Amino acid sequence: GAGVSQSPSNKVTEKGKDVELRCDPISGHTALYWYRQSLGQGLEFLIYFQGNSAPDKSGLPSDRFSAERTGESVSTLTIQRTQQEDSAVYLCASSLVPDIGFGYTFGSGTRLTVV
Amino acid sequence: GDSVTQMEGPVTLSEEAFLTINCTYTATGYPSLFWYVQYPGEGLQLLLKATKADDKGSNKGFEATYRKETTSFHLEKGSVQVSDSAVYFCALGGQAGTALIFGKGTTLSVSS
Repeated sequence: GAGVSQSPSNKVTEKGKDVELRCDPISGHTALYWYRQSLGQGLEFLIYFQGNSAPDKSGLPSDRFSAERTGESVSTLTIQRTQQEDSAVYLCASSLVPDIGFGYTFGSGTRLTVV
Repeated sequence: GDSVTQMEGPVTLSEEAFLTINCTYTATGYPSLFWYVQYPGEGLQLLLKATKADDKGSNKGFEATYRKETTSFHLEKGSVQVSDSAVYFCALGGQAGTALIFGKGTTLSVSS
């Protein structure tokens, strides 16, 4: 696609429910990243996929968070048993290569509200 | 570990004023440095970057110089416009195969 697409754009869920957030990266981009943006906290790294390599999960805040990516296509971030502190904007980004110098293309994000 | 510190906002300026947003970093090795901008209601966009010491990144009238001696990458613009109102993020790219590290963001508000 022309850009990084995320869905849904907004999600309101009840505490304790599971949610799935989707990211469709730019076609051909081998690297895909998930970040969380909370008010006053900047961007918090969650997980990074590069091709068929094992993902870097070092940023996932708890075992309630998981993510999958099939090949170099769509990724899904799943949050189980949501808590109010999970409320944030979840951002996905992709890049052509994992070379740091290229920078990323970001999607518009999914705003998650846990009530 | 690697980290980025940027000045707290909000920064409020009048149109045509000079802008500086400070960013300093801590890193091993020789990182790449970036400024991203997030306009209201939009996603983050790459504004400019520098990949080695003394490089100057520039775009849309904004500039930032990679200063290894002061571990800084301050963002500047000589004359801001109302349309520059946004949140600005400084970011660091360390080792290959690792994710960018972002600062907390600085909100800029420009009034006419």
